[in-house]
Amino acid sequence: SQTIHQWPATLVQPVGSPLSLECTVEGTSNPNLYWYRQAAGRGLQLLFYSVGIGQISSEVPQNLSASRPQDRQFILSSKKLLLSDSGFYLCAWGEGVSYTGELFFGEGSRLTVL
Amino acid sequence: GNSVTQMEGPVTLSEEAFLTINCTYTATGYPSLFWYVQYPGEGLQLLLKATKADDKGSNKGFEATYRKETTSFHLEKGSVQVSDSAVYFCALIQGGSEKLVFGKGTKLTVNP
Repeated sequence: SQTIHQWPATLVQPVGSPLSLECTVEGTSNPNLYWYRQAAGRGLQLLFYSVGIGQISSEVPQNLSASRPQDRQFILSSKKLLLSDSGFYLCAWGEGVSYTGELFFGEGSRLTVL
Repeated sequence: GNSVTQMEGPVTLSEEAFLTINCTYTATGYPSLFWYVQYPGEGLQLLLKATKADDKGSNKGFEATYRKETTSFHLEKGSVQVSDSAVYFCALIQGGSEKLVFGKGTKLTVNP
């Protein structure tokens, strides 16, 4: 069966510090991978998605970046965090998403920037 | 562009009450529609879906019908339980797209 792992679960970082959130999927090949952010009062915002290794689509211009160094690994990064980067970050994967619309989410990473 | 609008929360109900969470959408063509649920401290999971007009999605006692004429996909449950307390997200995907578009979510609290 397929599983998705996301870490760290909780992170408290000072403004201006770097960020790295990691997500890995097991039990499937060549999945679509996604990073969403859930901020208070703003719902679920798609940040990045990837349909293959090295292929990243950015949805929202910001100081975050994403990389997919391996087929089932998706990393969210920042060189310098802002206060506004605080939120709950969710990684997700899917197959044939344009047909099924079904995404499988990790348990999330809560980031607090102070 | 495509968008989803769902009723503002929070919604607070007593156990066994009837639930409706409204969702309307804007899209070109005929999208597929979904309801996802997020239990406290967890990621989202698919609750139900409908892929064409007049389809009814159902799961765990929840239902939603794809209404093209009103561009709506309202979530209903006849008798809610405390365990249904969660945040509910309406979403759509346009045919050929790889991106799900979510509404802002509606928090439901069910009291015993």
